[in-house]
Amino acid sequence: GAVVSQHPSWVICKSGTSVKIECRSLDFQATTMFWYRQFPKQSLMLMATSNEGSKATYEQGVEKDKFLINHASLTLSTLTVTSAHPEDSSFYICSAATLGTLGAGELFFGEGSRLTVL
Amino acid sequence: GDSVTQMEGPVTLSEEAFLTINCTYTATGYPSLFWYVQYPGEGLQLLLKATKADDKGSNKGFEATYRKETTSFHLEKGSVQVSDSAVYFCALSDLGTLTFGKGTMLLVSP
Repeated sequence: GAVVSQHPSWVICKSGTSVKIECRSLDFQATTMFWYRQFPKQSLMLMATSNEGSKATYEQGVEKDKFLINHASLTLSTLTVTSAHPEDSSFYICSAATLGTLGAGELFFGEGSRLTVL
Repeated sequence: GDSVTQMEGPVTLSEEAFLTINCTYTATGYPSLFWYVQYPGEGLQLLLKATKADDKGSNKGFEATYRKETTSFHLEKGSVQVSDSAVYFCALSDLGTLTFGKGTMLLVSP
């Protein structure tokens, strides 16, 4: 099956620093990638949708200058949390889809990255 | 907007017990419905899906039937195993965007 890998899986940083999380599709070309945020005992909250080569579309309430998303190639998308603060601590999950699977609503998920901001 | 409501966990069962995890949805269109599973330390993976009313999705002994009249997609398994312990997410897709429920943790003891 299609494999999506996130890196790092766990990161701790100081308040005010920036952190980059990578999401790679290992064996397929992902035309669309999604970034989610998951709070404890809560559902996955869609943050943004990115299509290869174009700007990401952010959901309402998500600060695009805070959460920078880049989808430079068909196998890589990055999420950069800029000037991180403790309230940004969360579990970030990416997912990817091809043109064929997107229409069917079927996504392939990364393992998630847990960010802790001190 | 679209929403998914699923029963809160954790659901604690003994091995070989019958499992039901309830899921209901609200959608303006005609969504596809999914169950995703997240095993400890892993990413979400698709368990089963149904794309239209009365469809039954099934995989690994789990099944769920798309009930349009009750807007439900309950997950069932006749005999759970310890290896089924995970978090289960019900989701719907309308126009390509997935909306998830909050997830239900299942704990199966030997």
